Amino acid sequence: AQSVSQHNHHVILSEAASLELGCNYSYGGTVNLFWYVQYPGQHLQLLLKYFSGDPLVKGIKGFEAEFIKSKFSFNLRKPSVQWSDTAEYFCAVFNDYKLSFGAGTTVTVRA
Amino acid sequence: DVKVTQSSRYLVKRTGEKVFLECVQDMDHENMFWYRQDPGLGLRLIYFSYDVKMKEKGDIPEGYSVSREKKERFSLILESASTNQTSMYLCASSFSETYEQYFGPGTRLTVT
Repeated sequence: AQSVSQHNHHVILSEAASLELGCNYSYGGTVNLFWYVQYPGQHLQLLLKYFSGDPLVKGIKGFEAEFIKSKFSFNLRKPSVQWSDTAEYFCAVFNDYKLSFGAGTTVTVRA
Repeated sequence: DVKVTQSSRYLVKRTGEKVFLECVQDMDHENMFWYRQDPGLGLRLIYFSYDVKMKEKGDIPEGYSVSREKKERFSLILESASTNQTSMYLCASSFSETYEQYFGPGTRLTVT
């Protein structure tokens, strides 16, 4: 079964700091990759996705992610975070008709 | 705008009760999913469905069943609720071709 690892459980940052969240998956074949975000009190929503093509994908709210096939990684980045980026972030991998999620990373941005 | 709705935001049930969680989507999606979300474990897939009357087990189906009688509706059933089923339950739907899943707001179920 596919496994998805997110390296950090909780990240605390100050506004304007850069953010990078790690994600690694176990499957070596063709995968579709996603980052979802869950703001406090809101439902999960898609941040960005990678299916094929340019391995650097851009999503909403200034987020981007880089797919590195050789490292089985799909790390999420944002150059300068805002207080409103406080949320839980989930990496997900689609394979074999199913989405497998990482455990999630809680990001707290201090004003 | 895709909308996935769930019948309840909060639910409290007693051990041994039969529990129904309903999910409805309005985008004519073929696929529907039920997950549970627990701190430190992320989302885990319970069941999913490709089409009406079809269902497939996910990673943690034990203690749950599902029903999909209409394309837009997918129900999760806890035949005899137990305290270890206290969790946040999320429903999602997607088209077959795009894989992107749209999530409902979740139902926080407490079993006492």
